[in-house]
Amino acid sequence: GENVEQHPSTLSVQEGDSAVIKCTYSDSASNYFPWYKQELGKRPQLIIDIRSNVGEKKDQRIAVTLNKTAKHFSLHITETQPEDSAVYFCAAIRVETGANNLFFGTGTRLTVIP
Amino acid sequence: KAGVTQTPRYLIKTRGQQVTLSCSPISGHRSVSWYQQTPGQGLQFLFEYFSETQRNKGNFPGRFSGRQFSNSRSEMNVSTLELGDSALYLCASLPRGQGKGEAFFGQGTRLTVV
Repeated sequence: GENVEQHPSTLSVQEGDSAVIKCTYSDSASNYFPWYKQELGKRPQLIIDIRSNVGEKKDQRIAVTLNKTAKHFSLHITETQPEDSAVYFCAAIRVETGANNLFFGTGTRLTVIP
Repeated sequence: KAGVTQTPRYLIKTRGQQVTLSCSPISGHRSVSWYQQTPGQGLQFLFEYFSETQRNKGNFPGRFSGRQFSNSRSEMNVSTLELGDSALYLCASLPRGQGKGEAFFGQGTRLTVV
């Protein structure tokens, strides 16, 4: 099955700086990579996703890049704000299976210091 | 429209007991997956149900089981509880499979085994 590794496990940045979280996956057939944000005591929520037919996707201050050859993808948050503090999870799946079993990384706890 | 509802929110059980958790997906969503969230292991996939059939199962012992009803509501059961089963149990619903819509998570059920 798929194995997703995520680094770093914790990340502290000053407000206004950028944050980068990296994930690698093992199954070359995986082609859909969502990112979830989980604030303290709340449910995970999808913040951005990318499919394997594109290399980069951006939505305001967040962007995700994908390197299929190296089997890694990254989340980039620019101009970080205190409300970006949360745990971020990357995930991977092969959508053709039609399944709903995401393989998650172990999470990155991001702290934005005001 | 109503989100994913999980009941109960909190549970305290003793070792050896069994427990049943419930997940009501968003109306129209037929796919429900379950995850166990622990501080050290992140989000680990338990199983997925689609149209009352288990489509996928994660690497958990047989003490963990589930089912889905005709209205797409799902339950998971854990028998002979162990201390290590203490975790936040999350369910996520989708119209069908991943990549065809956003997966919405419930608030989770926090199970404590004493």
